[in-house]
Amino acid sequence: DVKVTQSSRYLVKRTGEKVFLECVQDMDHENMFWYRQDPGLGLRLIYFSYDVKMKEKGDIPEGYSVSREKKERFSLILESASTNQTSMYLCASTLHGTGTPEFGPGTRLTVT
Amino acid sequence: AQRVTQPEKLLSVFKGAPVELKCNYSYSGSPELFWYVQYSRQRLQLLLRHISRESIKGFTADLNKGETSFHLKKPFAQEEDSAMYYCAPKMDSSYKLIFGSGTRLLVRP
Repeated sequence: DVKVTQSSRYLVKRTGEKVFLECVQDMDHENMFWYRQDPGLGLRLIYFSYDVKMKEKGDIPEGYSVSREKKERFSLILESASTNQTSMYLCASTLHGTGTPEFGPGTRLTVT
Repeated sequence: AQRVTQPEKLLSVFKGAPVELKCNYSYSGSPELFWYVQYSRQRLQLLLRHISRESIKGFTADLNKGETSFHLKKPFAQEEDSAMYYCAPKMDSSYKLIFGSGTRLLVRP
């Protein structure tokens, strides 16, 4: 019963490339989130969306943008990838105002 | 600013020993608190939430509003408890969880 899926488990990109990370949830959740996970820093929120076409910046939005054209899909975009964006990226979703986030398996992105 | 602190990056105990993973938060309101766990090569998953006051896999956590703490405890650690643990407060009606930096628990045989 997979609920939150991410398009890739591993991704290797070059500096300057445009990178798309896709997340899909099948639980009809209103809220979706993108976090990055780094050793010693825990999870840091990049962006979140509480409805289609709605988005809000998290704690570390610089260098990222997002797109939510459909309720089930939330995309994270790195306009010009840099080596300091090498990280594990986690997508999550939750019902509006209640519930706890359900996480995807993560995408490990390496920028060389 | 809202903040959550997990002071230990690594906690190493022997099997059968008690374990306590510390979590302190700074917030003047009434947050809802969660512990998440990530086992090796698995996705992050909810371990427990304070409002349910339940015990999951032998773990419990008590919210201490006076000390603004939500420490995770287990009386007898098992090797399968080895994982990364994150404390995460949710502030009032906010959509988002704030995660601590995590504590890696290593239970040795």
